[in-house]
Amino acid sequence: AQKVTQAQTEISVVEKEDVTLDCVYETRDTTYYLFWYKQPPSGELVFLIRRNSFDEQNEISGRYSWNFQKSTSSFNFTITASQVVDSAVYFCALATGGGNKLTFGTGTQLKVEL
Amino acid sequence: DAMVIQNPRYQVTQFGKPVTLSCSQTLNHNVMYWYQQKSSQAPKLLFHYYDKDFNNEADTPDNFQSRRPNTSFCFLDIRSPGLGDAAMYLCATSRDGGRTQYFGPGTRLTVL
Repeated sequence: AQKVTQAQTEISVVEKEDVTLDCVYETRDTTYYLFWYKQPPSGELVFLIRRNSFDEQNEISGRYSWNFQKSTSSFNFTITASQVVDSAVYFCALATGGGNKLTFGTGTQLKVEL
Repeated sequence: DAMVIQNPRYQVTQFGKPVTLSCSQTLNHNVMYWYQQKSSQAPKLLFHYYDKDFNNEADTPDNFQSRRPNTSFCFLDIRSPGLGDAAMYLCATSRDGGRTQYFGPGTRLTVL
């Protein structure tokens, strides 16, 4: 069975602070995919990144960066110099092999204040 | 731009009155999904179509049905909505399994 844990229910930061959202996953499959989605108050789930289990390279995209570590089964997401527009719920998710089902974590509500 | 479209964005129905939510996509993806998301919870997969093959989740109530008349369109039918069915309904698509799912803006359903 697959499981994704996002232990942080809610995080509040002041604008321009860096913030890291944690994600820990469990799976017995050797082939799997990890995702981060952003859900702003409007409700749409916006795809941010996909990582497959064979690629442990960290990735940076503008102010966003992701740290994938198989040794600790973690796929953490860092926002540098946070902005108010980053306020949203962020979901980490896992898909295994050729499966069609995303296993979501419970989400982390990020609030960025002025 | 290629996208996933959901109509309507907001739907109000009465207890027990059938309702249909629609989803269309211009991505030409072969897999389409329906999720239910209640307040402060993660999305929950109801079912998905892999091409024309319908795949129901074991815990999806019989009250929920789906139709996919062609590649581009997929419908969610709620035969007799209860108060507990009030939620955001999200449609998503992907090219094959295990691939990135792209979500529509969702339909927020209110049951009176």
